[in-house]
Amino acid sequence: GDSVTQMEGPVTLSEEAFLTINCTYTATGYPSLFWYVQYPGEGLQLLLKATKADDKGSNKGFEATYRKETTSFHLEKGSVQVSDSAVYFCALPDSGGSNYKLTFGKGTLLTVNP
Amino acid sequence: DGGITQSPKYLFRKEGQNVTLSCEQNLNHDAMYWYRQDPGQGLRLIYYSQIVNDFQKGDIAEGYSVSREKKESFPLTVTSAQKNPTAFYLCASSAGRDTIHEQYFGPGTRLTVT
Repeated sequence: GDSVTQMEGPVTLSEEAFLTINCTYTATGYPSLFWYVQYPGEGLQLLLKATKADDKGSNKGFEATYRKETTSFHLEKGSVQVSDSAVYFCALPDSGGSNYKLTFGKGTLLTVNP
Repeated sequence: DGGITQSPKYLFRKEGQNVTLSCEQNLNHDAMYWYRQDPGQGLRLIYYSQIVNDFQKGDIAEGYSVSREKKESFPLTVTSAQKNPTAFYLCASSAGRDTIHEQYFGPGTRLTVT
């Protein structure tokens, strides 16, 4: 079935450091891909998305490029801030019987220190 | 402001008691979802509803029940049959066909059963 694999955390960085969180997927066809973010004590928020191969999603300084050759959708940010500390989830739609389901990765905890 | 409300934020129950978690949305979304989040396991889908008076089991529905009598409300009951109910529960909703996977999340309810 469809699945998402994220790099295991936790990831700890200093402010202004470069961030990469790896995400690879297994799916039928070329589904849309998503990154969600969960700030401490809150629900998830959609961070960015890409709907087809070679698309780049971007938001709040974060970027991710849909690469079908490597089945990857790595999240990057050039200069992280303390306020970026959160859990990040990669996700893709279920390609089985239901078109309403999202499959989430296990999440990567990012801590940014001042 | 439009959004999803979950109440209460923290809930404590004794083992053997049923408990109902509230989820209300004023986004006029058709689809609603319930997820369970455990440390290191990401999000797992419990139930989802595509339209009023209809709902489907997700990946871990055993020990849970839902109803969808109104478009804006999707309460989740954790029954005494759920063997390990202590967890963080998240409700979400999504809109039309083109954005069905862009899910909006509530702030969550942390349930502790002792």
